[in-house]
Amino acid sequence: AQKVTQAQTEISVVEKEDVTLDCVYETRDTTYYLFWYKQPPSGELVFLIRRNSFDEQNEISGRYSWNFQKSTSSFNFTITASQVVDSAVYFCALSEALGTGNQFYFGTGTSLTVIP
Amino acid sequence: DSGVTQTPKHLITATGQRVTLRCSPRSGDLSVYWYQQSLDQGLQFLIQYYNGEERAKGNILERFSAQQFPDLHSELNLSSLELGDSALYFCASSVGDRGRNEQYFGPGTRLTVT
Repeated sequence: AQKVTQAQTEISVVEKEDVTLDCVYETRDTTYYLFWYKQPPSGELVFLIRRNSFDEQNEISGRYSWNFQKSTSSFNFTITASQVVDSAVYFCALSEALGTGNQFYFGTGTSLTVIP
Repeated sequence: DSGVTQTPKHLITATGQRVTLRCSPRSGDLSVYWYQQSLDQGLQFLIQYYNGEERAKGNILERFSAQQFPDLHSELNLSSLELGDSALYFCASSVGDRGRNEQYFGPGTRLTVT
């Protein structure tokens, strides 16, 4: 079973529209961390946000906002007033302890295209 | 620029060969992670090192091995290469060895096995 599910493979929106990227995760750990990364066409993954399992506060950073709900094991990402520069593949990731380190599980990504 | 460097950027080699990918973490980061990104498997965690010690192992094949040196740079060795090993290999680094630390990714090495 997938530890991180991003059901939306591709999304297209027109510039200035709002868009929400869904992420559902699965874990038995009580302590875990959730992340969102952006992979623009250049290929390099860029860190966007981290959330720990004890902090369910939603977060807003400029046009970006994140909604973490433990009850539904979801960590959704909303871009408000989308721009062409937001076009990228977005990955949700889960970090769990593994041995004396930790393991990251990435979803399959959602490819977002913002049409001017 | 994340501060993580990877060399080479591209690598083309033949089946059965062995290659070494190199990664230098951000200044101050002690953890290095290796990932494989392919179209069919997505982004797969391979292995984590922290301050020279192996800390976590993911879906790493026995033909693959890694190490982290005293200067904290890391190398990923891929041997007996198969066509299916063609992928983008990312290195990431973080300050600590735990999941609370966000990872910073390098630009990747694109490996093509012919």
